[in-house]
Amino acid sequence: AQSVTQPDIHITVSEGASLELRCNYSYGATPYLFWYVQSPGQGLQLLLKYFSGDTLVQGIKGFEAEFKRSQSSFNLRKPSVHWSDAAEYFCAVVDSGGYQKVTFGTGTKLQVIP
Amino acid sequence: DAGITQSPRHKVTETGTPVTLRCHQTENHRYMYWYRQDPGHGLRLIHYSYGVKDTDKGEVSDGYSVSRSKTEDFLLTLESATSSQTSVYFCAISESLNRDRYFGPGTRLTVT
Repeated sequence: AQSVTQPDIHITVSEGASLELRCNYSYGATPYLFWYVQSPGQGLQLLLKYFSGDTLVQGIKGFEAEFKRSQSSFNLRKPSVHWSDAAEYFCAVVDSGGYQKVTFGTGTKLQVIP
Repeated sequence: DAGITQSPRHKVTETGTPVTLRCHQTENHRYMYWYRQDPGHGLRLIHYSYGVKDTDKGEVSDGYSVSRSKTEDFLLTLESATSSQTSVYFCAISESLNRDRYFGPGTRLTVT
């Protein structure tokens, strides 16, 4: 069964610092991969997605993610964090070839300090 | 933003009472989903629908039922609410099962 792991429950970074949120998935097929962001009291918003092609994917709000098949990872990055990036981030994965449902990670809560 | 609304946005109810949450979309997407979000669990799928009158169970379907009589509406019913069903409920839509989801704003349900 497919699964996705976000090993960091909570991360704190200073405003202006770089950010990397980790995501690892587990299953053998070629995956579709997603990152979502959830601001407090809001629904989830899609940041970026990977289906195929270039393994470095650009998203909204200055975020990017890199698919590394050898490491089964899809880490989210941002070179310079803004206070408005404080939110919870969810990685999600699904088998591209089948009719399976998207599986979400348990989320990483990002705190940004001045 | 995708046109998804949920109603009510907040509800407090007593244990044992029935509760129905509504999701409405204006995107004409085939797939609709109900998730619950709880601390430490992320998002868990309750039920989903792949067409009018076509539904299937998710990973946490016990105690919930759904109905979809129109493409645009997907209802989630708690027949007899329990305190363990206190949660934030999100509706989502997608064009296909393995594509990105678009989420509604959520419904915060408290069962006392």
